Amino acid sequence: TQLLEQSPQFLSIQEGENLTVYCNSSSVFSSLQWYRQEPGEGPVLLVTVVTGGEVKKLKRLTFQFGDARKDSSLHITAAQPGDTGLYLCAGAAWSSASKIIFGSGTRLSIRP
Amino acid sequence: GAVVSQHPSWVICKSGTSVKIECRSLDFQATTMFWYRQFPKQSLMLMATSNEGSKATYEQGVEKDKFLINHASLTLSTLTVTSAHPEDSSFYICSAGDREGWELFFGEGSRLTVL
Repeated sequence: TQLLEQSPQFLSIQEGENLTVYCNSSSVFSSLQWYRQEPGEGPVLLVTVVTGGEVKKLKRLTFQFGDARKDSSLHITAAQPGDTGLYLCAGAAWSSASKIIFGSGTRLSIRP
Repeated sequence: GAVVSQHPSWVICKSGTSVKIECRSLDFQATTMFWYRQFPKQSLMLMATSNEGSKATYEQGVEKDKFLINHASLTLSTLTVTSAHPEDSSFYICSAGDREGWELFFGEGSRLTVL
């Protein structure tokens, strides 16, 4: 059973459009991370958010951690074909920050 | 950042054989490593937590006799899929936390195909 539900599961949009991916849970996490994974490779960390309400920006990507530390969002502005991939949110348990549970994943495809 | 390496990257084996996958932290010591399994087009599912010098902690539903984990040193954890069957075919990924445990580093993954 996934503790972290992501939506949408799949998203295909035109280059230049904006998009938001959501990560929701009924559990509280000590921190939440976003990863991007290419086929056949391990996930690559994009960002870690630790404080409730925290907003972090990474170029065209904006990440937000919910006030209650149960949810997060990833917003991409002016999407590019290079943004295509599997985006995973992951929550860290309070007992062990390095033990993380992955969300259900969002497969993003950006059409040129 | 720290480097975690897995070997082999891919392996094909016959049904009934056992396969060992290694996960090494190359430039840091990892007292804890994690093993994940990923089916095509799905997310990563945590299988077990590997603790150096002690028994691994398995997640609910993961057979410990099927997936043997050994963490004999601070830089090496191994996952052995025993008596592999086609349904064990999957992408297996390990990760290791740094000393403070806040940052997680992932291996490149190992693709297992059981014929």
